[in-house]
Amino acid sequence: NAGVTQTPKFQVLKTGQSMTLQCAQDMNHEYMSWYRQDPGMGLRLIHYSVGAGITDQGEVPNGYNVSRSTTEDFPLRLLSAAPSQTSVYFCASSYGGRGKNEKLFFGSGTQLSVL
Amino acid sequence: KQEVTQIPAALSVPEGENLVLNCSFTDSAIYNLQWFRQDPGKGLTSLLLIQSSQREQTSGRLNASLDKSSGRSTLYIAASQPGDSATYLCAVRDSSYKLIFGSGTRLLVRP
Repeated sequence: NAGVTQTPKFQVLKTGQSMTLQCAQDMNHEYMSWYRQDPGMGLRLIHYSVGAGITDQGEVPNGYNVSRSTTEDFPLRLLSAAPSQTSVYFCASSYGGRGKNEKLFFGSGTQLSVL
Repeated sequence: KQEVTQIPAALSVPEGENLVLNCSFTDSAIYNLQWFRQDPGKGLTSLLLIQSSQREQTSGRLNASLDKSSGRSTLYIAASQPGDSATYLCAVRDSSYKLIFGSGTRLLVRP
């Protein structure tokens, strides 16, 4: 009964390094998304996917890439880390989009620090 | 642009009190509104989802209402317990189908 699994839980990067945050769900959800949470700013949508092979940008997509080759996995890539990307990152999934069961399930988060 | 505001930012109450958390949004053209709970260092847990055609949803001691015309939602917690201490966030699904979050209300229920 794993739900949404994110790895790693913590990561420290140097400016300019690249890395991939992993997200996997075992609920056969069509919709997956990545958010970042910063103090006083709530959660902001980075990228989202409505199904395998389909991705789209959210509010704050710059500096991040995503892909969705399978229904289960939705990795987030930081191309060249910057201090402004220091944040807590959450992956979320739901069964479907418009008109379907939209209850969101969240992973436990990745705390990223960029020095 | 849709904006979601939650007031107060923090709330401290004694155990047993009934309390109301507020959420307001600037654009009434929404698909739905969700309330979430977040414990420190953890992800978010969905508590209640209200479709735009609905006025309220209930789950146990929680009741959420939605007034689209006034751009407001409230989360009512009955007979609060120390285990209810957490941050509560609301989020609206706006007309472009993006989920827009408020910054949350941090609740402390004192024994």
